[in-house]
Amino acid sequence: GESVGLHLPTLSVQEGDNSIINCAYSNSASDYFIWYKQESGKGPQFIIDIRSNMDKRQGQRVTVLLNKTVKHLSLQIAATQPGDSAVYFCAEIITGTASKLTFGTGTRLQVTL
Amino acid sequence: DADVTQTPRNRITKTGKRIMLECSQTKGHDRMYWYRQDPGLGLRLIYYSFDVKDINKGEISDGYSVSRQAQAKFSLSLESAIPNQTALYFCATSVTRGGAQYFGPGTRLLVL
Repeated sequence: GESVGLHLPTLSVQEGDNSIINCAYSNSASDYFIWYKQESGKGPQFIIDIRSNMDKRQGQRVTVLLNKTVKHLSLQIAATQPGDSAVYFCAEIITGTASKLTFGTGTRLQVTL
Repeated sequence: DADVTQTPRNRITKTGKRIMLECSQTKGHDRMYWYRQDPGLGLRLIYYSFDVKDINKGEISDGYSVSRQAQAKFSLSLESAIPNQTALYFCATSVTRGGAQYFGPGTRLLVL
């Protein structure tokens, strides 16, 4: 079956360092990917997205990389701050269809001082 | 996200009771969704609606029903609550079919 998963359930990073959160997907037909951040007690928050015709997209302090050859997605956070502590998960979908957004279970990012 | 609101934020109910969770949005999006989140299982889709006259079952619709009262309102009902429906429930909206979804703050439901 199709699946979206994350390699590491917990990632601990020192404040100021860069964080890299990884995600593997298996549906080669997926053409749109989203990263969400979920803080404790809150709903998932859209961070950044990328379409399959791109291999890199940058936002404010965040970069998403897409490697379609190995079906791998990563989220890079530069100069990680305590406020970045949260669960991050990726989602995939086939655009223009009624396909549902498929979510991974998440990686917890812990920022240490 | 204040553009998507959910009420109540927390609810405790007893087995067999009927309850309704409500979602309102000011984003002007046509598409609305209900998810539940359980530890270790991620987000699972319960129901979704692409417009007021369109309602679709998600992967775990049994035991739930929905009503799309208006473009901005989408409610989820548990007809007869059971303990394994204890979870976090999220409403989400999107502009396009197959596009990014924007989530509400969630409702924490405990069924005793």
